[in-house]
Amino acid sequence: NAGVMQNPRHLVRRRGQEARLRCSPMKGHSHVYWYRQLPEEGLKFMVYLQKENIIDESGMPKERFSAEFPKEGPSILRIQQVVRGDSAAYFCASSPDRGGYEQYFGPGTRLTVT
Amino acid sequence: AQRVTQPEKLLSVFKGAPVELKCNYSYSGSPELFWYVQYSRQRLQLLLRHISRESIKGFTADLNKGETSFHLKKPFAQEEDSAMYYCALSLSGGYNKLIFGAGTRLAVHP
Repeated sequence: NAGVMQNPRHLVRRRGQEARLRCSPMKGHSHVYWYRQLPEEGLKFMVYLQKENIIDESGMPKERFSAEFPKEGPSILRIQQVVRGDSAAYFCASSPDRGGYEQYFGPGTRLTVT
Repeated sequence: AQRVTQPEKLLSVFKGAPVELKCNYSYSGSPELFWYVQYSRQRLQLLLRHISRESIKGFTADLNKGETSFHLKKPFAQEEDSAMYYCALSLSGGYNKLIFGAGTRLAVHP
C-alpha cells in the first residue's frame, strides 16, 4: 500500500492563475480531509469529503476555493485566481471510515504564488 | 472557540534527559486529543491518542481536564526522537475534524 499520494509535490503559480492539487487516498479509504499549513503555524482544517459528497467545508475560504472527491479518481482541491497569501503547504489525509480516529497523511503539496 | 496551544516552538535537550512537550486546549465539549509527529523528510503520523492510554516509543500523555492539558512526556530522550510534534484536538460530531497546535520542534543532542 503506497499510502496517501499527493501531486504535485511542489507547484508554482503566478498571481491570477489556477492551482489544482490532487490527493489519492489509501486503498480502501473513502474519507478525505484537506488541511492548510501557513509558515510557522499548525495545520488548519479546510474540508472533509466522502466520495461524491462534501460533508464539512467550514474551513474553506468562501471564495476561490473548491474541493471535490468524485466517485472515480483523486480528490481535487482547486484554488482559482491565486494570490500570494495562498502560498502554503496543503496536506490531505484519508481514513477508512467516518468515525475512524487515525488519519493517514500525504506528503503535502507546497504551493508558491509569485 | 476551540483552540490548541503549544507554547514552545523549540525544545532542546540532551540525550537521556526527560522531555515534556506542553499542550493546552480550549473546548467546551468532550475532548479527544492526539499527538502527531513528523520526522525529518517523513509524513505526519499519529503518535498516540489519549483514549488508548498507551505508551508509544516511550512517550506517554495524560489528559488533565481540570488543567485542560495533554502534555507529552518521555523520561529519557533519544536522538531519534528529534522531530516536529503536533498536539491535535478532535471535535465531537461523528467524524475526526482535527484542530492542530502550531507544533514544537524537539531537538535531542548527543
